[in-house]
Amino acid sequence: AQSVAQPEDQVNVAEGNPLTVKCTYSVSGNPYLFWYVQYPNRGLQFLLKYITGDNLVKGSYGFEAEFNKSQTSFHLKKPSALVSDSALYFCAVRDIASSASKIIFGSGTRLSIRP
Amino acid sequence: DTAVSQTPKYLVTQMGNDKSIKCEQNLGHDTMYWYKQDSKKFLKIMFSYNNKELIINETVPNRFSPKSPDKAHLNLHINSLELGDSAVYFCASSLGGSNTQYFGPGTRLTVL
Repeated sequence: AQSVAQPEDQVNVAEGNPLTVKCTYSVSGNPYLFWYVQYPNRGLQFLLKYITGDNLVKGSYGFEAEFNKSQTSFHLKKPSALVSDSALYFCAVRDIASSASKIIFGSGTRLSIRP
Repeated sequence: DTAVSQTPKYLVTQMGNDKSIKCEQNLGHDTMYWYKQDSKKFLKIMFSYNNKELIINETVPNRFSPKSPDKAHLNLHINSLELGDSAVYFCASSLGGSNTQYFGPGTRLTVL
């Protein structure tokens, strides 16, 4: 069975500092990995995904994520945080070996950027 | 030119009532989904349809019945609403099951 964990409920970062939001996953086969962001009272917005190829994936709003197969991680990063990055971030995984198209979402990490 | 739209945005109703939420996508996608987000923000898939056929049906009470009249629409009907049904319901769509999902703005359902 596939699963995804976001170990931090909340991450606090000062504006201008680098940020990392952690995500680890478990699948029986190879993973498709996704990051989504949710602003208050909005739906989820796609940020980036890893399907295959380069382990470093670049996405929207200056975010990037690194796929690490040995550590089964897909941490989200940004070199310099903005106050406007404050939102709820979800990591998600789909097991390529699974016949169903189900994506499992993590529990979410609230990112708070202080001015 | 909204990509994935849901109606209504807010729904307040009494226990025991029956209600429907509608979803439409104009992205030309062939797969649509319903998710439930509870008060702790956990997001759980409920159903998925591919080309109007049900492909994912999670452990959801029979009171919830999805209907897909065509590839661009996936509606959710809920019978005999209960307090625990209060949540935000999100519709999403994708091209194929493994591709990026695009979410609607959500419907906040409050059962009194």
